[in-house]
Amino acid sequence: DAKTTQPTSMDCAEGRAANLPCNHSTISGNEYVYWYRQIHSQGPQYIIHGLKNNETNEMASLIITEDRKSSTLILPHATLRDTAVYYCIVRVPMEYGNKLVFGAGTILRVKS
Amino acid sequence: EAQVTQNPRYLITVTGKKLTVTCSQNMNHEYMSWYRQDPGLGLRQIYYSMNVEVTDKGDVPEGYKVSRKEKRNFPLILELPSPNQTSLYFCASSDRGSSTDTQYFGPGTRLTVL
Repeated sequence: DAKTTQPTSMDCAEGRAANLPCNHSTISGNEYVYWYRQIHSQGPQYIIHGLKNNETNEMASLIITEDRKSSTLILPHATLRDTAVYYCIVRVPMEYGNKLVFGAGTILRVKS
Repeated sequence: EAQVTQNPRYLITVTGKKLTVTCSQNMNHEYMSWYRQDPGLGLRQIYYSMNVEVTDKGDVPEGYKVSRKEKRNFPLILELPSPNQTSLYFCASSDRGSSTDTQYFGPGTRLTVL
């Protein structure tokens, strides 16, 4: 799986958009970008994933650059409950073992 | 409600006393997996199962056993727990038939081995 680079931490004001960047310059053509988050020692929670096109769901939007070397997760209206560690993971879906490789992630602190 | 459940959520035990952490999912997922999470080391996969009666080692299988007799259950067994197995454990499941390949995690089991 391709390596990812994320900032160690970020702050965001409550109600504002939180933009979390991720670099994955060695991503392969068949690798997807997945985002998970972990709220204070709870089980990681799936947020969104994409291959080439931008994606949006009820939780967030994912913007992937045209060269696919980086992406941004956008939480449009961050709340205090969005404070968590956010993990960017690139992988081939359904690969044998289905292992998710979690890096250190970005600690997002949403402040009132 | 679709979910992965783990029991117990918290456990304090002593070295050498066999224990089992149960994991159950109600989503009819084929794939299940166990991870442990330690400070500075992130989440590491212990064992996984692609389907009933099919299990394989992950990255850190030493000292653990698993079984998959039914699709919904995937217990983690520590036959001789040791203090280095003190950790936060997560069970996860996913539907290998789905193109999204998203994994659903349980709430975690915090294990302390004295």
